[in-house]
Amino acid sequence: NAGVTQTPKFQVLKTGQSMTLQCAQDMNHEYMSWYRQDPGMGLRLIHYSVGAGITDQGEVPNGYNVSRSTTEDFPLRLLSAAPSQTSVYFCASSVGQPSNQPQHFGDGTRLSIL
Amino acid sequence: QQQVKQSPQSLIVQKGGISIINCAYENTAFDYFPWYQQFPGKGPALLIAIRPDVSEKKEGRFTISFNKSAKQFSLHIMDSQPGDSATYFCAASCRYNTNAGKSTFGDGTTLTVKP
Repeated sequence: NAGVTQTPKFQVLKTGQSMTLQCAQDMNHEYMSWYRQDPGMGLRLIHYSVGAGITDQGEVPNGYNVSRSTTEDFPLRLLSAAPSQTSVYFCASSVGQPSNQPQHFGDGTRLSIL
Repeated sequence: QQQVKQSPQSLIVQKGGISIINCAYENTAFDYFPWYQQFPGKGPALLIAIRPDVSEKKEGRFTISFNKSAKQFSLHIMDSQPGDSATYFCAASCRYNTNAGKSTFGDGTTLTVKP
């Protein structure tokens, strides 16, 4: 049972490049989220989805797009990378809302923007 | 506005000692308070969680104490071990209102347990 799988684990981009961070879960969870983790700032919610075809913005959505075409996958797209987006990105899933159920996190994607 | 404030930022404890991490929240609508443990290079993993209808929850060496009137909750790690060395995050969320389901995290506490 793989749980939540994130790819790639590491990535270096140049300013202005675009890329997609992949997230897949095999637990049939309806709820999925993307967070970024910066030193001393905890986890901040970027976007989330309550089910296939439904997405919404979190606390820090600017510069990121998401889509949810299947229950399993929830990719995060950086449209035009900026140095301020250098961070560690975590994808999480839960069987229901995080207010009722624990979230299961992937191991993260470490992204550097030069 | 930070809705969940966590302290201390870092903590050093001797093996066998008690580690205490505190969190304070502002939104009285919060009704679910989990703690996550994160090891270097890994994602956070749920450690223990509590709802405001109880004042304490214990799982092995880990205990959450909850004070609804003070809007505070804390994690106690008894008999701390070097293997407990990790970053700990508190979080809070609520089931209702416009922010239903969204989790708010504290900034994290880096715990080091010395042998």
